Amino acid sequence: DQQVKQNSPSLSVQEGRISILNCDYTNSMFDYFLWYKKYPAEGPTFLISISSIKDKNEDGRFTVFLNKSAKHLSLHIVPSQPGDSAVYFCAASAVSGAGSYQLTFGKGTKLSVIP
Amino acid sequence: SQTIHQWPATLVQPVGSPLSLECTVEGTSNPNLYWYRQAAGRGLQLLFYSVGIGQISSEVPQNLSASRPQDRQFILSSKKLLLSDSGFYLCAWSKWQVETQYFGPGTRLLVL
Repeated sequence: DQQVKQNSPSLSVQEGRISILNCDYTNSMFDYFLWYKKYPAEGPTFLISISSIKDKNEDGRFTVFLNKSAKHLSLHIVPSQPGDSAVYFCAASAVSGAGSYQLTFGKGTKLSVIP
Repeated sequence: SQTIHQWPATLVQPVGSPLSLECTVEGTSNPNLYWYRQAAGRGLQLLFYSVGIGQISSEVPQNLSASRPQDRQFILSSKKLLLSDSGFYLCAWSKWQVETQYFGPGTRLLVL
């Protein structure tokens, strides 16, 4: 049972336009959501996160929107740049006890920004 | 600033051989530590996590094991590798009671 789903395995966007990456989740106990960016043969890099008590968080070109009633979040990148081409993972966090949070990851969406 | 190291970067091992992957974190104390695996075309699967020295929690039953002999050292091991153990292994750390995890560069393991 996949608790975090990224239904689009790939996305192509023209440079300068908006990229919108989507993520759906099923577990209402998730209290924090994160986006990671990953280049081939490298570890994921943390991009931006949002608490479940908020509906928007912005950091430069990156904005994450959360719709709790729909159990849906999205990452907007504006404007998109060729260096943004990577695989983007959505992750959701829940307390696992003993001061640790467990992240559940989606399968990722490969973004290609075309110059 | 904090940094996380993993080695080796790449490893090719025969089936049935042992495995030891090492992860160390610098610049922080008492981190939570995690081992993940990314199989080809798949997401990140949590294998083990640790909230302190000698404290290991396993998420997936398998022939892998983890140990934390020191505060900032996390080791992933196997006595006998299987073909299905091939993948990209990632170590991550987080601060106590903080959700954000930071990943190392990863180890690509190919079992032949």
